[in-house]
Amino acid sequence: AQSVTQPDIHITVSEGASLELRCNYSYGATPYLFWYVQSPGQGLQLLLKYFSGDTLVQGIKGFEAEFKRSQSSFNLRKPSVHWSDAAEYFCAVGPLAPNAGKSTFGDGTTLTVKP
Amino acid sequence: SAVISQKPSRDICQRGTSLTIQCQVDSQVTMMFWYRQQPGQSLTLIATANQGSEATYESGFVIDKFPISRPNLTFSTLTVSNMSPEDSSIYLCSVNGQGGYGYTFGSGTRLTVV
Repeated sequence: AQSVTQPDIHITVSEGASLELRCNYSYGATPYLFWYVQSPGQGLQLLLKYFSGDTLVQGIKGFEAEFKRSQSSFNLRKPSVHWSDAAEYFCAVGPLAPNAGKSTFGDGTTLTVKP
Repeated sequence: SAVISQKPSRDICQRGTSLTIQCQVDSQVTMMFWYRQQPGQSLTLIATANQGSEATYESGFVIDKFPISRPNLTFSTLTVSNMSPEDSSIYLCSVNGQGGYGYTFGSGTRLTVV
């Protein structure tokens, strides 16, 4: 069965500092991996996705993520955080094929940005 | 990618009553998904709704409690029946994203049961 672990429940960074949010997955084959962001009172927005190929993927809002098969990780990064990045971030694995159904989500990491 | 309109955005309901949440998509989609996000928790899939067939429920969720309708390829409803305070959650409608990968989500319905 597929699973996702986000080890950090809450992270605080200063505005302008770099950010890395950790995600580890468990899946028997090459997974489809996703990062979503949920701003307060909102639904989830897809930041970026990985299927295959280049292990460094670029997303919206200046985010990137790197797939490392050897570490079963898909960490999210941003070189300089803005106050508007304060939100909840979810890593997810699946669906396993286009239009194939459900994803499994991690428990989320809450990002606080200090002025 | 698709645009999803979900309503109501929030509601406060009395225990024992029911609430129907509507989800409208601006394009035709095969599958629509209903998720629950309990306070401080991640997302849990309630069911997958295909047009023209009964919804497929995940373990722990039953049709009597969460009846779903899917009358056409752009619309679905989720009813939370006989509510209790434990049903207080955010309910999210979603569809597969661009190319069929990932999801596009509605803005959610924040339900409080008192």
